[in-house]
Amino acid sequence: GAGVSQSPSNKVTEKGKDVELRCDPISGHTALYWYRQSLGQGLEFLIYFQGNSAPDKSGLPSDRFSAERTGGSVSTLTIQRTQQEDSAVYLCASSRDKSSYEQYFGPGTRLTVT
Amino acid sequence: QQQVKQSPQSLIVQKGGISIINCAYENTAFDYFPWYQQFPGKGPALLIAIRPDVSEKKEGRFTISFNKSAKQFSLHIMDSQPGDSATYFCAALDDKIIFGKGTRLHILP
Repeated sequence: GAGVSQSPSNKVTEKGKDVELRCDPISGHTALYWYRQSLGQGLEFLIYFQGNSAPDKSGLPSDRFSAERTGGSVSTLTIQRTQQEDSAVYLCASSRDKSSYEQYFGPGTRLTVT
Repeated sequence: QQQVKQSPQSLIVQKGGISIINCAYENTAFDYFPWYQQFPGKGPALLIAIRPDVSEKKEGRFTISFNKSAKQFSLHIMDSQPGDSATYFCAALDDKIIFGKGTRLHILP
């Protein structure tokens, strides 16, 4: 079956603009994660969705960042008033459920803020 | 705060050599320790994982060694090949997964 897909694969935007990044998880996976990976850096946790529970937003770096997950499937990460330091690869991952250690990652969206 | 500390940050190994990446953790509630492999331009992918009741797990050329008392675990890549050149992340799972900061491995041809 299809893996995790993300769109767009690349996004260049001007400072101050809003951007939306999309993630389509594996069908049936109830857990969905967003991470940020800056050049040569590790995985910075942003937000986590599990089923219909309230999301864990503890990793969001500022109130310019938000995410939603509609119908327990597709998720959108929104960054408002983008700043140059937001430039990074944004990775989405899904897993069967909260307790599953195997996360399946999408290819990421490379965001460049000019 | 829960942490997984990974070292080295980068590693260069000759083809055919053994690559060793180390991780240490603090939270004894962690009950699963996976390793992820990431190639440039791709998302990380699960490579191998171990539970704390096992001291070693081997899959092909990849072995995880686990020391529960020291709260340390490591990835060994035997007979390292240029195709193994990638970034490797250790991780630990409690109620959510915590990743190490990654090791960039380069295997010299």
